[in-house]
Amino acid sequence: AAGVIQSPRHLIKEKRETATLKCYPISRHDTVYWYQQGPGQDPQFLISFYEKMQSDKGSIPDRFSAQQFSDYHSELNMSSLELGDSALYFCASSLGGQPQHFGDGTRLSIL
Amino acid sequence: AQSVTQLDSQVPVFEEAPVELRCNYSSSVSVYLFWYVQYPNQGLQLLLKYLSGSTLVKGINGFEAEFNKSQTSFHLRKPSVHISDTAEYFCAVSEKGSQGNLIFGKGTKLSVKP
Repeated sequence: AAGVIQSPRHLIKEKRETATLKCYPISRHDTVYWYQQGPGQDPQFLISFYEKMQSDKGSIPDRFSAQQFSDYHSELNMSSLELGDSALYFCASSLGGQPQHFGDGTRLSIL
Repeated sequence: AQSVTQLDSQVPVFEEAPVELRCNYSSSVSVYLFWYVQYPNQGLQLLLKYLSGSTLVKGINGFEAEFNKSQTSFHLRKPSVHISDTAEYFCAVSEKGSQGNLIFGKGTKLSVKP
């Protein structure tokens, strides 16, 4: 079965630009989570959605927003990008309960 | 709030030797516990999890972990490691009854040498 799919795998942007990261959960999974992993850091929880509604919020900057669509895929929108936003962004999905299945991440580099 | 402490940032071992990666957590409520493995430039793969029941949990690739409530620990063990086990290992906790977001430890880099 297909796992969690994230696109793009790599993204290069300049400061103050915007970026959109996409996440396609495993089929029938209803919950999506976003995490940010800075260089040499542990993953930090950003935000999650259950049945298209925001279910929890972590350390997500106000410049970022996210949503889950009717087909359960999710998008993380990032504006006014800063150098410190350079990181690996992971999406995970689950059927309710705990996140168990992670995508391979989107590596975002800000120049 | 929960927190996770992985006591060793790097663990070098020789192939076929046993290994233990330590994890301690703190929480004021009951938690679920997880170990994830991350290979270079890849996502996080679930090794094993403790939700309830038996405190000894067996996972993939020959790994196991034991939940010790009194010591608030969830150490990961493997009796004989392979070169292919070289990776970074993250211990994580989530609060029971929560929406499931994970709090991760800082990670332990396991290097297996021939």
